[in-house]
Order: sequence, then C-alpha cells, then structure tokens
Amino acid sequence: SQELEQSPQSLIVQEGKNLTINCTSSKTLYGLYWYKQKYGEGLIFLMMLQKGGEEKSHEKITAKLDEKKQQSSLHITASQPSHAGIYLCGADKGGYQKVTFGTGTKLQVIP
Amino acid sequence: EPEVTQTPSHQVTQMGQEVILRCVPISNHLYFYWYRQILGQKVEFLVSFYNNEISEKSEIFDDQFSVERPDGSNFTLKIRSTKLEDSAMYFCASSGPDREGEDTQYFGPGTRLTVL
Repeated sequence: SQELEQSPQSLIVQEGKNLTINCTSSKTLYGLYWYKQKYGEGLIFLMMLQKGGEEKSHEKITAKLDEKKQQSSLHITASQPSHAGIYLCGADKGGYQKVTFGTGTKLQVIP
Repeated sequence: EPEVTQTPSHQVTQMGQEVILRCVPISNHLYFYWYRQILGQKVEFLVSFYNNEISEKSEIFDDQFSVERPDGSNFTLKIRSTKLEDSAMYFCASSGPDREGEDTQYFGPGTRLTVL
C-alpha cells in the first residue's frame, strides 16, 4: 500500500519567513493533493498536482511535483499567522478512489 | 462557493449505542466518502460510495458500519453499536468531476464523535 511521509513533522517560523514542507511517497504518485487543517476542523483543499514537474500557486503558497512523481513540496512565501495549521499531503490512484494521507506537518507562525 | 456540510458537529454517546452521522455533499457531485481521524493520528479512509453502492471500503469499515444515501441530498454513516475506539473525528467528502475535470475530494468540517 502507498505510504506518504511528510517532513518536518512540525515547524515554528517567524512571521514573514519562507518555509518548505516535503511529502515523499513510497510509490509513483498518480494525483497528489495538499490540504490544510485547522486544529480540530475540516480539511481545506489547497492544490492538486498530477503531471511530473508540475507547479501550482495559490496566493503565497506554491506546490511542486517532481519529475519522477514521488515527491512533492509545498512552499509558503512570507508566512503569516493565518498560514498556521496542519498541512496534509494526500495521494490517490485516480478514478475517484480513496485518498491516502501523509503524517501531517504542524505549522506555527509567530507574529 | 458550494461546500460539504456535516451534522452534528459534536456527538456524545454511550458505548453500545447507535449513532448516525449526516452529511450533505456538494450538490452535483456523484462520489461520496467517509474518513476518520483519531486524535493525533492520520486521516484514514473508511468507505467510498457511488451509484447507490459501496465502491471501496477499508478494514476499519466492518459490519458495525453502514452508509446510505436516503434521498437526493443526504449521505449518512451509521455505527450500529459504538465502541470506545470509535471516538474520532469523522469527515465526509464528495467529488465531481468538477469544472476542470479533476476528481478532487472536498471535505466537510467533520463530526467529533465521543464514545463514553
């Protein structure tokens, strides 16, 4: 079965700093999702990547999928307290199948 | 923007009791899912549902669990006889296809189930 490892597990950054979260898969990825979860709340969809080398941006968040489709990174530029939460990567096999989630990265942004 | 809604937000029940968790998926979506997250652990897949039947289920989804789409809008998860270890956050999700043809799953805010 597919395993997704995220690093780091937790991150504390000063407001305004850039940061990167990584997601590594044990198998080639079909679709890679990034979600954000605020503590005790639901998952907010951020981005989905499918093609090797693909990069997408939404506001100050950029996600990339490597050429081999086994690793993705999420980069936040000029972090703000509103970026705080748990970032989850997830993978599926397409065709509306289940999403397998990573271990999560807890981000705190200090004002 | 359309969103997945879930009720109740928090459910407390006694061990052995039946609970029904309710979800209203995004209206034009065709695929529905339940996931759960035990406190401090990963989000885990329970079951997927399409065309009025289960399309996939995990090992967690045993005979104590059932899903139903009783009408055109609701999607429910029933736990017949709750156990302490069923305490978790339960998330409903739905997917399209959406405007871009992607099969992104959109999640509800969750129901926190506490079994005493």
